[in-house]
Parts: sequence; structure tokens; C-alpha cells
Amino acid sequence: DQQVKQNSPSLSVQEGRISILNCDYTNSMFDYFLWYKKYPAEGPTFLISISSIKDKNEDGRFTVFLNKSAKHLSLHIVPSQPGDSAVYFCAASGKAAGNKLTFGGGTRVLVKP
Amino acid sequence: NAGVTQTPKFQVLKTGQSMTLQCAQDMNHEYMSWYRQDPGMGLRLIHYSVGAGITDQGEVPNGYNVSRSTTEDFPLRLLSAAPSQTSVYFCASSWSGDHSQETQYFGPGTRLLVL
Repeated sequence: DQQVKQNSPSLSVQEGRISILNCDYTNSMFDYFLWYKKYPAEGPTFLISISSIKDKNEDGRFTVFLNKSAKHLSLHIVPSQPGDSAVYFCAASGKAAGNKLTFGGGTRVLVKP
Repeated sequence: NAGVTQTPKFQVLKTGQSMTLQCAQDMNHEYMSWYRQDPGMGLRLIHYSVGAGITDQGEVPNGYNVSRSTTEDFPLRLLSAAPSQTSVYFCASSWSGDHSQETQYFGPGTRLLVL
């Protein structure tokens, strides 16, 4: 049973518009959440993170929102650029699990020029 | 810095063969881990290590062995390859400690096909 789920396997968006990626989790012991970005034939790279004591974290065009009561987080990319076309993985961790990462299945984003 | 390096990039094995996937990092990271990526499944943790001489199992350890004799190297051994082990394998490293461990640096991956 997947503890971290990304229910949208793909997303297509026009350049300059907002991309919204969603992620749901079931384990209430998770207290730290991350997004990783992956280009084809490369390893994932860290993008942004948020602690459970916050509900928002922003880094340039990327903002992550956390709704603990709904066990839901989202990644907003504004404005979207063609170079953002990649697979995005949501991940979660918790002290009780030794801070090991549990990943979602990924969302493939295509930004059209 | 080369970061995290993995060899080989691609490998074809026959069922029952064994092999070792190599991983090395030059960032002096304490924490190293191996993941496999399968379609729709994200990345799943196979084994991890919090320092030289210390290893532990992750979510999907069966059929794999690891060792950590140095800080830099963390090889993954497939004992007797099975078609179910066809996957892309990623090695990662990071600093230990709260929330440093989760910010991991990944290698470029090894694509493994078991026939």
C-alpha cells in the first residue's frame, strides 16, 4: 500500500501559466516533505522541501503548500518554463522511520512553448 | 567534484547471473542509499548505510546485498538475478542528521535488464 501517492501521472501546461502538482500521504508520522525533479537519463535532483511546522515554503518560481489535516501537499510552479518539463517526485520522511524517504510514483510535466 | 558516480550505465543479465553495481561519492557524505525505480512506483529504498561498516535494509531488500567498507563506496550486489529485478537503479548520498539526510544527491542511474 503506497503511503505517498501522486494521482496525476502527467500534466500538460502552456509556457507562462501555473503548474500545480499534487501529492497525498497516509502516514501521520511523516513530518518532512520534499519534491525532487528528474530529467530523462539523469538522477533526481532536490527541488524544495517543507517541514510539518510550516504550511508554505517558497523558492523563486517554486512554492510548496502543506495541508496537514488533509494529508496533502502541492507544488506550484509559476510561471512554467519549457525547461521545467520533467518528472516530479513527491517524497516524505519521519523521525519514527529513521528519516528514510518514501517516494510517490511521479508526475510527468510537459510545458508547451 | 564528480558527485555521485555509478557504473555501469546499462547492463543485460541472464536469469541466475550475479553482478555488482558500483557507486562512489566524493562529497564525504555519511549517508548512502540504493533505490530502484519502476514505472508508477516511484523510487523504493533497497538498502542504506549511515557510515562505513553500517548497513541496513530498506523497503525492498530481498535479492540484494550491500557493504560499506569505505565512506566513498557503496556497491550493490545482485546475488542471482531475476526478471523482477529489471529496473533502473539509483545510488544517492547525503549528510546525516535531521533533514540533511533527506536532501539526497543522486547518481545518473544504472539501467538493468534481466532476461
